[in-house]
Amino acid sequence: AQSVTQLGSHVSVSEGALVLLRCNYSSSVPPYLFWYVQYPNQGLQLLLKYTSAATLVKGINDFEAEFKKSETSFHLTKPSAHMSDAAEYFCAVSEMEYGNKLVFGAGTILRVKS
Amino acid sequence: DAGVTQSPTHLIKTRGQHVTLRCSPISGHKSVSWYQQVLGQGPQFIFQYYEKEERGRGNFPDRFSARQFPNYSSELNVNALLLGDSALYLCASSYGQETQYFGPGTRLLVL
Repeated sequence: AQSVTQLGSHVSVSEGALVLLRCNYSSSVPPYLFWYVQYPNQGLQLLLKYTSAATLVKGINDFEAEFKKSETSFHLTKPSAHMSDAAEYFCAVSEMEYGNKLVFGAGTILRVKS
Repeated sequence: DAGVTQSPTHLIKTRGQHVTLRCSPISGHKSVSWYQQVLGQGPQFIFQYYEKEERGRGNFPDRFSARQFPNYSSELNVNALLLGDSALYLCASSYGQETQYFGPGTRLLVL
């Protein structure tokens, strides 16, 4: 069965600092992996996705993530945090062979300090 | 292009009542999925429909049902509401087996 673990329910960084949000997954088949962001009282917005092409994936707003099969990880990074990045971030896995239902992690709330 | 739309945005019901939530997918998308997001947790998969047929069902009781219409819009129905059904209900659409795009959600409060 698929599962996603996001290490750290809350992450706090200073404005301009590196953002690193951790995600580990388990999957019995090659996975598709996603990062979504959720701002307060809103739905989910797709940041980026990995679908078995390049292992380093670039997304919107300078976010990127690297798929590491040996570590079963898909960590999200951004070189320089901006105040507007404060939100909740969800990592999700999908096994396309079983339909494209998404299994989400519990989420990480990112706080950006000025 | 318009994104995924959901109605209503907010809803208050009492225990035992029934609720219907509606979703319109992105134009051209044929698949709709429903997720429940309880406060403080990640979304949980409820249903997926593709071309009006159920393609997947999550671990939810039979009180939850859904359908997809010929225009690919969808309804999620929940009967005999419980306090624990209070959540944000998210609808997502995709063209097929591809990336899912989410709507703003319907926030349901059961009193």
